[in-house]
Amino acid sequence: NAGVTQTPKFQVLKTGQSMTLQCAQDMNHEYMSWYRQDPGMGLRLIHYSVGAGITDQGEVPNGYNVSRSTTEDFPLRLLSAAPSQTSVYFCASSYSAAGGFYEQYFGPGTRLTVT
Amino acid sequence: AQKVTQAQTEISVVEKEDVTLDCVYETRDTTYYLFWYKQPPSGELVFLIRRNSFDEQNEISGRYSWNFQKSTSSFNFTITASQVVDSAVYFCALSEATGSNYKLTFGKGTLLTVNP
Repeated sequence: NAGVTQTPKFQVLKTGQSMTLQCAQDMNHEYMSWYRQDPGMGLRLIHYSVGAGITDQGEVPNGYNVSRSTTEDFPLRLLSAAPSQTSVYFCASSYSAAGGFYEQYFGPGTRLTVT
Repeated sequence: AQKVTQAQTEISVVEKEDVTLDCVYETRDTTYYLFWYKQPPSGELVFLIRRNSFDEQNEISGRYSWNFQKSTSSFNFTITASQVVDSAVYFCALSEATGSNYKLTFGKGTLLTVNP
């Protein structure tokens, strides 16, 4: 199993550009999520999904869109990049079942710089 | 809203010392889950432990141990006989059940440096 994969590993964007961060998992996990990590802020939830076709907002959703057309993939779209979106982005997936929430498996991260 | 506080921003110890990382959480739910993750300098996030709110038993795994106390809303993590390889940022996290949806809230992390 490859686990959770993210591409690209590094990206530099100019203000106003758009791009998609890719995330895929091969563990058949229903639950997937995106976090951003900023110095001194821990990890903050951007969006999450409990299954194909179902997404919801997390703590810091503004400026980001997601969709979940398959169980395996959960891309994160930056609509119009801003310097405030400079961060490290982590995708994660986990098994979830009614009445339970299990550990998340994280991808290696994407370091994004917006100039 | 749920909240996780890791009051220790940075801790520095000498190898073989014991060290405890504090985690205090806030939640209105009776059903919730607590986690610890490790982020070594290489940047990946490594799962360490999961505990549900109905299981207050302390846990030991090798040099690691966890003390869960609902009375003080704390879930502290102790490393015994620390080693240089333990140097990392450690995150405590809380997940509440909201219907069928779960959101994970992380603390800001504690940077542990173990010096030889």
